[in-house]
Amino acid sequence: DTEVTQTPKHLVMGMTNKKSLKCEQHMGHRAMYWYKQKAKKPPELMFVYSYEKLSINESVPSRFSPECPNSSLLNLHLHALQPEDSALYLCASSQGGRRSAPWDEQFFGPGTRLTVL
Amino acid sequence: QKEVEQDPGPLSVPEGAIVSLNCTYSNSAFQYFMWYRQYSRKGPELLMYTYSSGNKEDGRFTAQVDKSSKYISLFIRDSQPSDSATYLCAMKDSGAGSYQLTFGKGTKLSVIP
Repeated sequence: DTEVTQTPKHLVMGMTNKKSLKCEQHMGHRAMYWYKQKAKKPPELMFVYSYEKLSINESVPSRFSPECPNSSLLNLHLHALQPEDSALYLCASSQGGRRSAPWDEQFFGPGTRLTVL
Repeated sequence: QKEVEQDPGPLSVPEGAIVSLNCTYSNSAFQYFMWYRQYSRKGPELLMYTYSSGNKEDGRFTAQVDKSSKYISLFIRDSQPSDSATYLCAMKDSGAGSYQLTFGKGTKLSVIP
């Protein structure tokens, strides 16, 4: 199984709502990532989890709250978002860790398209 | 100056044409060079990667890296309508456990039947 799955595929939420994005992989990868991608822009790294611990937080506003409950799951909790947060949110995973190949291929999920009204 | 520069296109070619996509970069620490293909409303998928300088071929796709010029290319031979997508270059330094990928903006390619 070389697939990263993401749910939901589409999400529309108001600025006062609380919602969560979910990501799952069963490749035994120990690094998981959240990216944000605006239209016609490259993916921007938001968070990296390594061995279920937050490794990188790219100065993301606190209205985005990541969670890694186990090695296969990654959540992104959303609260009080702004319309400018509308984007495609991509999850990725890679083998991770010091024993992985240095270049450590990242496998991307299909993304959740988020619209904030 | 941005770390990775990539012409966003759009690029439109007839079916069967040879396509050349390229990126330039400024960070000499980059050692791994990747090309991702992203179809509309989908996540990126890795096409090819190369380490340091040189060429790599996979079917109709050839990736080239010229570290002296800080320039990478992706060539697509006998292009097909199914190749229509956005192509993103991405780069990474050599640190083990280093997760950061630096992406180009992506080039949107349309192959016309």
